[in-house]
Parts: sequence; C-alpha cells; structure tokens
Amino acid sequence: NAGVTQTPKFRILKIGQSMTLQCTQDMNHNYMYWYRQDPGMGLKLIYYSVGAGITDKGEVPNGYNVSRSTTEDFPLRLELAAPSQTSVYFCASSYSIRLAGGGTDTQYFGPGTRLTVL
Amino acid sequence: GDSVTQMEGPVTLSEEAFLTINCTYTATGYPSLFWYVQYPGEGLQLLLKATKADDKGSNKGFEATYRKETTSFHLEKGSVQVSDSAVYFCALSDGGATNKLIFGTGTLLAVQP
Repeated sequence: NAGVTQTPKFRILKIGQSMTLQCTQDMNHNYMYWYRQDPGMGLKLIYYSVGAGITDKGEVPNGYNVSRSTTEDFPLRLELAAPSQTSVYFCASSYSIRLAGGGTDTQYFGPGTRLTVL
Repeated sequence: GDSVTQMEGPVTLSEEAFLTINCTYTATGYPSLFWYVQYPGEGLQLLLKATKADDKGSNKGFEATYRKETTSFHLEKGSVQVSDSAVYFCALSDGGATNKLIFGTGTLLAVQP
C-alpha cells in the first residue's frame, strides 16, 4: 500500500512551458485534492474532486487544470508556466461518505513536487 | 472567510523541554480542527484532530484541546525529542461536503540534543 504518490519530485520549467503533475492513490479514496505551498504560507487549495468525473475549483485555480477519469489518478496540468507558479505542490486524498456536513475525514498527503519556473 | 493563525517560527527547544505552539481560528460555523506534521522531505501527516468544542486530540505525546470560547487549538507536548523536529500545521475544516482544509502558515520546530 503506497498511499499517495506524486511524480516528479522536482522540476524546473521555463516560462510558457507546460507540464502535468501526476498524483495516484491506492486507497480507493473518493475525494482528491491539489494544494500549493508557498514559502512562509500555509497550503492553498487549487482544485479538488469528490469522485471520478467530478472536479471543482478551490481557492487558487487560475493557471491550472485538472481531470479525474479514474478513482486513482488526479493529474494537475499547468498550461503556460509563470514564475508565480513556483511552489511546492501537494496532492491529497480522503474517503468521505457524507453529502453535507462533518468535514472530519483525514486527508492523506503525497510527498510533494517542488516546481521552479524560470 | 474562515482562517487559521498560528505562531511564527522557528521554535528552537532543547530535548525534554515543554512545547506549546499556538493556533487560533476564525470560522462562521462549527469547524473541525487538525494538527498536521511535515517531517523533512515528506508530505503532511495527520497528528491529531478534534471535531467539537472541548474535545481533546492526542497522539504520540502531543495534545490539543478545542476551545470554542477562545477559538484556539494550541498544540502541546510535555517533553520533546530530537525526532519531533518538523513543521507543524494547524488547520480547520468547515464541515462542508467538500471536506476542504484551511491551513495556517506552519511552525518550524527544531529540537536540539
């Protein structure tokens, strides 16, 4: 049981390049999330998904896209990289059965991807 | 909107010292509260949580009590070890269907032998 895995661990991009950050979980969790962590700041939610085929924007979605074609995978796409997207990106997953209320489910995080845009 | 404020670091302690990391929150509803820990080079791990007022979360010698009257969730440990060196994040979930977390900025703890 690997939990949440992310690739790559590190990446340097030039301005305007595109890339996909991969995230896979093997816990059969229905909810998945992408966060970014900037120096001296807390994690900010980029996008999330409550199940295959369902995605929604978080707090800072501009410049990113996601898809969720399977339960296991939740890739994050950067189309035109900008220096402001230099950050550490974390993927997380949780199992939630409620439709409303609660918010107590533990989120499990991957090890992160450190991205630098020059 | 909802927010979390935690004390800035770094916090540097000697082994066996007492630890307190302050965390306060602002929320319109009745959030659940969490402490996550990030060891060097790793992702975040849940350390403890509390889901309602006066609940105490505890794990690995760490404790935090959900104080609604002071909107606080301070993390404490009676005797820290070098292995506790990490970044600690306080977070809340507003209880919505999305289970989203709102994080504080993190506090770096460095424990010296």
